[in-house]
Amino acid sequence: DVKVTQSSRYLVKRTGEKVFLECVQDMDHENMFWYRQDPGLGLRLIYFSYDVKMKEKGDIPEGYSVSREKKERFSLILESASTNQTSMYLCASRLAGGAPEAFFGQGTRLTVV
Amino acid sequence: QQQVKQSPQSLIVQKGGISIINCAYENTAFDYFPWYQQFPGKGPALLIAIRPDVSEKKEGRFTISFNKSAKQFSLHIMDSQPGDSATYFCAGTTSGTYKYIFGTGTRLKVLA
Repeated sequence: DVKVTQSSRYLVKRTGEKVFLECVQDMDHENMFWYRQDPGLGLRLIYFSYDVKMKEKGDIPEGYSVSREKKERFSLILESASTNQTSMYLCASRLAGGAPEAFFGQGTRLTVV
Repeated sequence: QQQVKQSPQSLIVQKGGISIINCAYENTAFDYFPWYQQFPGKGPALLIAIRPDVSEKKEGRFTISFNKSAKQFSLHIMDSQPGDSATYFCAGTTSGTYKYIFGTGTRLKVLA
């Protein structure tokens, strides 16, 4: 089974802090994604990476950056956390050129105070 | 062009009843339409998916109905069970791209 693991289930950070959310997948998938989930808004794409060191902005990249130095790991960085970034963050991975199914991690609920 | 509109936002169904969730898309280039199921505290997981060359796909109690001309598709859950209580997301994507466009989600509650 594909496993996508997010390093934290819950995080509480202060406004202005630099925050790192980590995601690791174990199936050698080329594509990795970071989504943000908010009630009534569904899942919105923040950034995606189609291979190591490759990244593209999604629909809501403002205030975020990403890093993909190794194929299995995709990090989301909040440069200066703000209260409007309080949300559930979901990482996903997918095999490039294969079945379109994306596999999700369990999510990180981030609260910025 | 990119939206996927999902309704209803929430749904309450009696045990044994039929749950129906509807989605409409705009991008005619979409060629893969998955439904994801998310239980509280968990990430979404693929439930069932369809491509637009078929009008219906059934897996157990779950059926997708697809209407290409209307650009609509729906999820039907037959004989709904309390264990089906979850949030359901529809989505669309295009082969060769990386991006899913998700609907806003439907919170389903099945009463025992």
